[in-house]
Amino acid sequence: EVQLVESGGGLVQPGGSLRLSCEASGFTFSDYSMTWVRQAPGKGLEWVSTIRSSGSNTFYADSVKGRFTISRDNSINTLYLQMNGLRAEDTAVYYCGRGGYTSYFDSWGRGTLVTVSS
Amino acid sequence: EIVLTQSPATLSLSPGERATLSCRASQSVSSYLAWYQQKPGQAPRLLIYDASNRATGTPARFSGSGSGTDFALTISSLEPEDFAVYYCQQRSSWPRTFGQGTKVEIK
Repeated sequence: EVQLVESGGGLVQPGGSLRLSCEASGFTFSDYSMTWVRQAPGKGLEWVSTIRSSGSNTFYADSVKGRFTISRDNSINTLYLQMNGLRAEDTAVYYCGRGGYTSYFDSWGRGTLVTVSS
Repeated sequence: EIVLTQSPATLSLSPGERATLSCRASQSVSSYLAWYQQKPGQAPRLLIYDASNRATGTPARFSGSGSGTDFALTISSLEPEDFAVYYCQQRSSWPRTFGQGTKVEIK
């Protein structure tokens, strides 16, 4: 069974940093691209970033480019999102999803809440 | 950026009725469009991919159609568990984009 478990969310002040993790199990992690999608409270889904299976290519939404960095460690089946320069508008539940490069997001974690507030 | 516009914003229907949701793209996405279902407090779930293919576990009452810029998700007969928010999403180009969602609520 595919499982994706996010962690690392919490309350952070504007301008602060946070690193999210997504631990994957139940599939060959190194075979799949991976993605972060976020959802602000009461709002719709917003694609944030995708990384190819090997980590060789990364893609970002304009809203996070230059502030967020996606990465992965295939040896421990873990996806990351380093978030710097956080703003109030980054407040959201962050989901990790399997796929996104040449596929859709066919499995999702439960999400981790990031709140940016003073 | 490809903008996906979903309509209507809210659909009020009774169990057993047919639901038709629309997703229109600002430029052609070929057939690279998916539909997701999201229930309150849950992660989204992939229902339909490449416009018309049901994902694993998607009931046969869900069907997708369209290509280019106009797409539809049809639920032939609404079950109580189908009342949720539905999003379309394109993978034709970067950035990946979602529609704003259609809420299917009980009338």
